[in-house]
Amino acid sequence: KAGVTQTPRYLIKTRGQQVTLSCSPISGHRSVSWYQQTPGQGLQFLFEYFSETQRNKGNFPGRFSGRQFSNSRSEMNVSTLELGDSALYLCASSLVSGTNQPQHFGDGTRLSIL
Amino acid sequence: GEDVEQSLFLSVREGDSSVINCTYTDSSSTYLYWYKQEPGAGLQLLTYIFSNMDMKQDQRLTVLLNKKDKHLSLRIADTQTGDSAIYFCAETPYNTDKLIFGTGTRLQVFP
Repeated sequence: KAGVTQTPRYLIKTRGQQVTLSCSPISGHRSVSWYQQTPGQGLQFLFEYFSETQRNKGNFPGRFSGRQFSNSRSEMNVSTLELGDSALYLCASSLVSGTNQPQHFGDGTRLSIL
Repeated sequence: GEDVEQSLFLSVREGDSSVINCTYTDSSSTYLYWYKQEPGAGLQLLTYIFSNMDMKQDQRLTVLLNKKDKHLSLRIADTQTGDSAIYFCAETPYNTDKLIFGTGTRLQVFP
């Protein structure tokens, strides 16, 4: 069974641009969550999607958004990029939402802002 | 509130046992998790424990939970150089799948 797949693995952007990251969950998993990992702030929750609906959102500005498609694949978008958005963005999937099912992570997308 | 704390570093000799500790604050947490992160990789789920359990053993891994003190530990028996990584403790508050992570403990195993 394939794991969580995130694309691209690496991305370099400049300030002011926007970016879209993609996540394909484990087959059969319907819940997708996104996390940001930085050396200063550690691992922080961005948002969670289930059945194409955002169920939960972390404390990030509105420049960070996401969506989920009917096949459970998810994308997150960051607009008007800032230097501080440089981070490893991790996606996790689980079977269903709200039942504390274990979450399985992908290898992440490393985003660098110049 | 939601807060998870871990010590930053642990250094052990190959073959010894490693014990990584974690404290959390949210008493409503239903599951507690241990994840491992190797350089350049994502998070690998190692094990997890339900909040009404005291202990869980899985091969070389033993998780101990003291719910009264909100203390969680991960013991790795016969630690190998391949165990060198960052270990994250995480909790999920009641009725949410949002993971609250600790700062991570960097485990270094030397020969």
